[in-house]
Amino acid sequence: EVQLVESGGGLVQPGGSLRLSCAASGFTFSNYALSWVRQAPGKGLEWVSGVSDSGGLTFYADSVKGRFTISRDNSMNTLFLQLNGLRAEDTAVYYCAKEKVPTIRYMSAFDVWGQGTLVTVSS
Amino acid sequence: QSALTQPASVSGSPGQSITISCTGTSSDVGGFNFVSWYQQHSGKAPKFVIYDVNNRPSGVSNRFSGSKSGNTASLTISGLQAEDEADYYCSSYTSSRTLVFGGGTKLTVL
Repeated sequence: EVQLVESGGGLVQPGGSLRLSCAASGFTFSNYALSWVRQAPGKGLEWVSGVSDSGGLTFYADSVKGRFTISRDNSMNTLFLQLNGLRAEDTAVYYCAKEKVPTIRYMSAFDVWGQGTLVTVSS
Repeated sequence: QSALTQPASVSGSPGQSITISCTGTSSDVGGFNFVSWYQQHSGKAPKFVIYDVNNRPSGVSNRFSGSKSGNTASLTISGLQAEDEADYYCSSYTSSRTLVFGGGTKLTVL
């Protein structure tokens, strides 16, 4: 079964940091680009960041550029998101998502999603 | 990058058809055939129902179809069923090498 499982969410103070992880199974991890998508409470989906299959290319939404860093470890089948300089508006459920088309596409269609991990930024 | 524009809500009776629009610009929807649609039931992760404008993933009902004209993409659900009641989001790849979602549409089955 193809599966993504996020972890690492929690309560953090404004200005703090957090590292999210997404463990993958059931597919050839190193063949697919991955992304992080977040959803603030009661709000819509917002794409946050993406990374190519090799990890050599990274992409960010303007709202997180310079504060968040996406990375992946293909030997561990794990995707990461380092969140620094957190703000109240970063409070959301963070989903990792797998690109449907291997290798040549980065953010066109997400066919597998994790269950999400909640990040709450509050003092 | 501004969010794609979707109606906040649509509704229909069982058996009817509804269409949800998704309007962007020539830098996203109009410039690429990488438009996807996602269904999200309350408290659940999104599930993709259409990709590359009009392709349906295996396992998704053929009652779901997609199209695009210019800068506007559309999702049509025919033969509405109670289980279709959910939030729907469109997304598009952009010329800035990012992804943008629509604001979401709440579908109510009357």
